[in-house]
Amino acid sequence: EPEVTQTPSHQVTQMGQEVILRCVPISNHLYFYWYRQILGQKVEFLVSFYNNEISEKSEIFDDQFSVERPDGSNFTLKIRSTKLEDSAMYFCASTRDRDSPLHFGNGTRLTVT
Amino acid sequence: AQKVTQAQTEISVVEKEDVTLDCVYETRDTTYYLFWYKQPPSGELVFLIRRNSFDEQNEISGRYSWNFQKSTSSFNFTITASQVVDSAVYFCALSEYSSGTYKYIFGTGTRLKVLA
Repeated sequence: EPEVTQTPSHQVTQMGQEVILRCVPISNHLYFYWYRQILGQKVEFLVSFYNNEISEKSEIFDDQFSVERPDGSNFTLKIRSTKLEDSAMYFCASTRDRDSPLHFGNGTRLTVT
Repeated sequence: AQKVTQAQTEISVVEKEDVTLDCVYETRDTTYYLFWYKQPPSGELVFLIRRNSFDEQNEISGRYSWNFQKSTSSFNFTITASQVVDSAVYFCALSEYSSGTYKYIFGTGTRLKVLA
């Protein structure tokens, strides 16, 4: 069964550094998402992306965050200048259409030191 | 505002016991979806079930069953004859439609510990 693939599984970075989290959604999916889960807490919506543009973003998704689908297969989340509070598990998700369930990747654990 | 409440933070049961995880939601949408996801210790989110707001039929899948009651805005999840491998955090989620797409509102999760 096709899967959403995220790399790396764990990323450690220093405060103030830029980080790019990578995702390969399922190939025939059209809607893409990033969610975040701070350790031990609930899963929170960051951003949705469709037709090469952001559909919606949450309050968490400020100017330090950006998303891109550079080549038709990858979907990336960039954090320009990481803060300690950005430490979390980041999940990428995709779906074929608006009525289908989201398929989540295994997540990237980001640790900002 | 959309909201999902999982009042049980943590539940411990002994293997082979039945356990029910509660989920209560709030929404003003007339069409919505409800979901359950499992998050094992390895951290990934595993899709378990999706329910359409127009389909109140209960569903059973092996040892898992779901009870959707629109009248009480609840979507509870029962595991029958629990096993140690069921130990995980379980999240209930509600879809919210906006800007041409659905996004999910997750509850805070219930940590289930099944003891041998």
